Amino acid sequence: GAVVSQHPSWVICKSGTSVKIECRSLDFQATTMFWYRQFPKQSLMLMATSNEGSKATYEQGVEKDKFLINHASLTLSTLTVTSAHPEDSSFYICSARWGGNTEAFFGQGTRLTVV
Amino acid sequence: GQQVMQIPQYQHVQEGEDFTTYCNSSTTLSNIQWYKQRPGGHPVFLIQLVKSGEVKKQKRLTFQFGEAKKNSSLHITATQTTDVGTYFCAGQYSGTYKYIFGTGTRLKVLA
Repeated sequence: GAVVSQHPSWVICKSGTSVKIECRSLDFQATTMFWYRQFPKQSLMLMATSNEGSKATYEQGVEKDKFLINHASLTLSTLTVTSAHPEDSSFYICSARWGGNTEAFFGQGTRLTVV
Repeated sequence: GQQVMQIPQYQHVQEGEDFTTYCNSSTTLSNIQWYKQRPGGHPVFLIQLVKSGEVKKQKRLTFQFGEAKKNSSLHITATQTTDVGTYFCAGQYSGTYKYIFGTGTRLKVLA
């Protein structure tokens, strides 16, 4: 099956610093990547959708200047949490799909802790 | 806005008992997917339902899509401890490429 690799799997950072999370599709070209946020014991909340070569589409209530998304190639999308604060601590997960295929494959997730 | 609700929120069953989780959308769905997330893990795709009234089976798992394409269910027969996890439905609406995840049902199986 298709593999999506997310890195890092966990990160601890100081308040006010920025953190970059990478999402790579290893064996397929991901035309679309999705970024989700999941709080403990809660559902996945879609943050934004990125299509290769174009600007990401953010969901209502998600600050685009705080959560920078770049989808520069068909195999890589990055999410940068800028000026992180403790309330940004969460589990961030990406998923990717290709072409008209509706099945999305998820990365392993990144647990971010801001101290 | 579009919402996808799931019930129950939690379910504890004895090993060998059956389990069902229900997914409901406020508006008609284009299609629906089901995922399983183990504790500490990421969601894993189980199945996609597209047609009205569709029923699909995967071993002990039976998935149904309602006639009105507003609800869906996942039924597990004779649960095993390996079935532990949170089951999410994710609905796609016509005219959009994104999926809205349901609230999830956390299943615990007691040996």
